Amino acid sequence: QVQLVETGGGVVRPGGSLTLSCVASGFVFSSYGMQWVRQAPGKGLEWVAFIGYDGRNKFYADSVKGRVTISRDNSKNTLYLEVSSLRPEDTAVYYCAKDHRAARPKDFHYWGQGTLVSVSS
Amino acid sequence: DIQMTQSPSSLSASLGDRVTFTCQASQAITKNLNWYQQKPGRAPKLLINDASNLETGVPSRFSGTGSGTDFSFTIDSLQPEDIATYYCQQYDRLPITFGQGTRLEIK
Repeated sequence: QVQLVETGGGVVRPGGSLTLSCVASGFVFSSYGMQWVRQAPGKGLEWVAFIGYDGRNKFYADSVKGRVTISRDNSKNTLYLEVSSLRPEDTAVYYCAKDHRAARPKDFHYWGQGTLVSVSS
Repeated sequence: DIQMTQSPSSLSASLGDRVTFTCQASQAITKNLNWYQQKPGRAPKLLINDASNLETGVPSRFSGTGSGTDFSFTIDSLQPEDIATYYCQQYDRLPITFGQGTRLEIK
């Protein structure tokens, strides 16, 4: 069965950075697009970034563009999200998700359990 | 950006009721819309893609319809396990955007 396991969250000071990881199993990772979505405490869902199956197509939300880099290592079945210049408004649970499609974002077919990033001084 | 507006924001219904809520896009998105269910403390779950296609394993009491700008989501015969927040999401144009959610409660 499909499994997505995120790690890397934690408490970070404003202006700091961190890298989130998502290890995938149960499907052919290199064949699907992958995404990051976040959810601030008590709030709705916000799309963050998408990466195509081969890493060539990358798309970002305006709210994080320039501060976030999505990447993947298909040999390790792992998705990454590097986030820098963190702001308090970046505080959220970050979910990785598998897309139905390979090269363009469509949906969040399977989700990880999420990892909490808390930006606070 | 395409704005997705869900209504109502919250809904209280009785077990066995037929429940319907809506999602409106700020511009036409054909059928490029998905629906998710999120239970408290859990990750969301994809229920319906392309406005009306039920995901494998999702009970048939869930259904979706619509195209263009107006979409609806229906639960026939509300069950206790359906208590959750439901989100619509468009993928017609980047950035991907979600509705603000409809919180479903038991009356």
